[in-house]
Amino acid sequence: SQTIHQWPATLVQPVGSPLSLECTVEGTSNPNLYWYRQAAGRGLQLLFYSVGIGQISSEVPQNLSASRPQDRQFILSSKKLLLSDSGFYLCAWSVTEFNEQFFGPGTRLTVL
Amino acid sequence: GQNIDQPTEMTATEGAIVQINCTYQTSGFNGLFWYQQHAGEAPTFLSYNVLDGLEEKGRFSSFLSRSKGYSYLLLKELQMKDSASYLCAVRDSNYQLIWGAGTKLIIKP
Repeated sequence: SQTIHQWPATLVQPVGSPLSLECTVEGTSNPNLYWYRQAAGRGLQLLFYSVGIGQISSEVPQNLSASRPQDRQFILSSKKLLLSDSGFYLCAWSVTEFNEQFFGPGTRLTVL
Repeated sequence: GQNIDQPTEMTATEGAIVQINCTYQTSGFNGLFWYQQHAGEAPTFLSYNVLDGLEEKGRFSSFLSRSKGYSYLLLKELQMKDSASYLCAVRDSNYQLIWGAGTKLIIKP
């Protein structure tokens, strides 16, 4: 069966510090991968998605970036965090864009 | 613009039935999803509708009317563990999911 991992579970970072969140998927090959951010009382906001190694599409211009160095690894990064980057970050995967998405446990980021 | 509307919060009684509505205006339509999200946890997939009508899965059913841009999630025989947020999401013409803000369902004994 397929499993999706995210770490860390929680993170508290000062403004201006760097960020690296990691997501890995097991039990499937060449999945579509997604990074979302969920702010309190708001819908999930798609940040990045990837259909293959090295292929990243950005949905929202911001100070975040994503990379997919391996087939089942998706990394979300920032060089300098802003207060507005606080939120619940969710990684998800799907077989194709036509299928339902399955979510990892999420990372709760607080920027102080 | 693209928009998904759901009630912010609903309250229901254990053992009863509740209907959570979702209306949408999107650029194209390629299916509608319902997810359940317990507080502090990730969303989990509940149902998928792409054709008009009712899809039943145990205690949960989901209905779609594409002409009205409308869906609902029906939960029967409510249990305390059903207390959660329910998210409606529509896949648009680019096959991206547009998400509603979710409906927080509170179940009372």
